[in-house]
Amino acid sequence: GESVGLHLPTLSVQEGDNSIINCAYSNSASDYFIWYKQESGKGPQFIIDIRSNMDKRQGQRVTVLLNKTVKHLSLQIAATQPGDSAVYFCAETAMDSSYKLIFGSGTRLLVRP
Amino acid sequence: GAVVSQHPSRVICKSGTSVKIECRSLDFQATTMFWYRQFPKQSLMLMATSNEGSKATYEQGVEKDKFLINHASLTLSTLTVTSAHPEDSSFYICSARSVNTEAFFGQGTRLTVV
Repeated sequence: GESVGLHLPTLSVQEGDNSIINCAYSNSASDYFIWYKQESGKGPQFIIDIRSNMDKRQGQRVTVLLNKTVKHLSLQIAATQPGDSAVYFCAETAMDSSYKLIFGSGTRLLVRP
Repeated sequence: GAVVSQHPSRVICKSGTSVKIECRSLDFQATTMFWYRQFPKQSLMLMATSNEGSKATYEQGVEKDKFLINHASLTLSTLTVTSAHPEDSSFYICSARSVNTEAFFGQGTRLTVV
């Protein structure tokens, strides 16, 4: 089913610290996961993805960890910057399902200067 | 990355009227387009999936007669909100993909029904 959040949990971090945003996904059949960043009034922006045959993937300042056993995904942002302030969503899909993305409830990241 | 453009970015309409939102893939051919709705402080909810030249597949609970989706070409899909009411006010977002590519999102359309 689809995830609908009644409110957005907020993570507040100091500039320069590392941020960890967590997500629980719902479908055991999902085999592809994506983290998106959404700024106010804009569409989602791709950050990083991971397939189910991996448990870790690194990008520039970001790392995604996947734990299929407990259906948990996390996004780690190193040296968080003010420009990282946004709402972050995880999304899941099964690659053979025409790429229907189901979004998690989202986390608002606030970076304190 | 590829560019997906939505138009308009903002629209205000009177209750009872219809509004059309366009989603265009500017530099690739989109075999599949998706329409999402997002209420304030909530996540994106998938409304429907449309493949070029086929009827859209709507998610459970989404009224197909109220949210008309047309995907007549590989670069354009439209969402028409018919007989709009204040509760239809929301942020509507499209995404588009081609075979073996990720989905690229538009910048969204803020619909306000007064």
